[in-house]
Amino acid sequence: ETGVTQSPTHLIKTRGQQVTLRCSSQSGHNTVSWYQQALGQGPQFIFQYYREEENGRGNFPPRFSGLQFPNYSSELNVNALELDDSALYLCASSLAGRTFTEAFFGQGTRLTVV
Amino acid sequence: AQSVTQLDSQVPVFEEAPVELRCNYSSSVSVYLFWYVQYPNQGLQLLLKYLSGSTLVKGINGFEAEFNKSQTSFHLRKPSVHISDTAEYFCAVSESFGSGGGADGLTFGKGTHLIIQP
Repeated sequence: ETGVTQSPTHLIKTRGQQVTLRCSSQSGHNTVSWYQQALGQGPQFIFQYYREEENGRGNFPPRFSGLQFPNYSSELNVNALELDDSALYLCASSLAGRTFTEAFFGQGTRLTVV
Repeated sequence: AQSVTQLDSQVPVFEEAPVELRCNYSSSVSVYLFWYVQYPNQGLQLLLKYLSGSTLVKGINGFEAEFNKSQTSFHLRKPSVHISDTAEYFCAVSESFGSGGGADGLTFGKGTHLIIQP
């Protein structure tokens, strides 16, 4: 059983650029959630994807968008990067059925915007 | 909307001493509660969860937590800490049944840094 893997582990972007972060969900999981964790803060829910559609969204602007693929992997895209977007981005996968199973988190992608 | 308050940003404790990390939540509906641990440069690992039933829940690594509905609290405890328990601990809440947080995700507190002193 493979865990949740995220790529890249670190990257540096310039303000105004666009970035794509990737997440491979745990084997057997069909739901992916993305979180932003700023330095010294708890993770904040960005959105969740289920069956390739956005299933729920937190308080983030539309320049944060995502995709889920048929193999349940996912991408987080951020356009027009701002300095405040610098954070650890965490992906979590779970299995949605009548209830949601435990969310397993990846190690995250550390994004620095300069 | 729900919210989580972790009252201590940092808790120093001597090795083999007991520890309590405090968590209070607010919500207008029934909630489900979680504690996660984050080791340096790693993702989050679920320690324990309260979904229903007994208010005292036991988790991994000797941790336990008690759900107190009247005080809207879910404090984490360990009777004897080890140096390897040094980490960031996050309390989280969800209004959707199950551990994954449902379509609204999990709402996390700001975290408590547990520092174990030898």
